[in-house]
Amino acid sequence: ETGVTQTPRHLVMGMTNKKSLKCEQHLGHNAMYWYKQSAKKPLELMFVYNFKEQTENNSVPSRFSPECPNSSHLFLHLHTLQPEDSALYLCASSQALGGVETQYFGPGTRLLVL
Amino acid sequence: GQNIDQPTEMTATEGAIVQINCTYQTSGFNGLFWYQQHAGEAPTFLSYNVLDGLEEKGRFSSFLSRSKGYSYLLLKELQMKDSASYLCAVSRSNDYKLSFGAGTTVTVRA
Repeated sequence: ETGVTQTPRHLVMGMTNKKSLKCEQHLGHNAMYWYKQSAKKPLELMFVYNFKEQTENNSVPSRFSPECPNSSHLFLHLHTLQPEDSALYLCASSQALGGVETQYFGPGTRLLVL
Repeated sequence: GQNIDQPTEMTATEGAIVQINCTYQTSGFNGLFWYQQHAGEAPTFLSYNVLDGLEEKGRFSSFLSRSKGYSYLLLKELQMKDSASYLCAVSRSNDYKLSFGAGTTVTVRA
C-alpha cells in the first residue's frame, strides 16, 4: 500500500533538537490529518487540514507545528519535545472533511525523545 | 464528548469465530468504522456502518445498532494473519472527525 507515505519511519531526537515529519498522499484527497498513538491508548487527533486550511488544533502544545503547503503534503515540525511525546505519529487522508469519509493511514513515524 | 469502549484483548483458535464488541456514547453520530492494525503498521480500513444492521465483507462482518450505541466486528474462519489490533472509531456528526477506541488485540492460536 503506497497511498499514504511517511518519512522518516523511525526518529530519535533529543529534547533540544528540531526535526520535521513528512507525509504525502497519492490518492487525490483534500483532507489530511495528524494523529498521535501511544501504547494502549486511543488514537489522538492532533491536527486537521481540509483543502489546505487548518480546521482543528486539538489543544496540541505549540512545540508541535503543522504545515500543509498543498493537498498532497503535510508536515509536522517538532521543537523542544518532551520524553512523553515519544509515540507513533500517524498521518491520514480522506476525500474531504464531511459526510462519511474513510480515512487512509500512512505507516507512521515511530518517535523516541531522549 | 466521546466515550468508546472495546475489550482490551481477545484470544481465539485458528478456524474459529471471534466477535469484538464496541459501545459508544456520542453527542452526534455520523457513522462507525472498523480498522485493523498489525503491530508496527498503519491502521487499514475494514468496514463502516451508517445504518442499523449487518454489513458483510468476506470473512469479516460488522453490525450496528444506533439506538443501543453498539457495534460488533465478527471475524470468521480465523487465520493466523488475523492476529492484530482492531480499532473501533465513531464519526461525529457535528464535525465529521473520527474518535477512536483504544483497540482490541486479537491473538489467534494454532
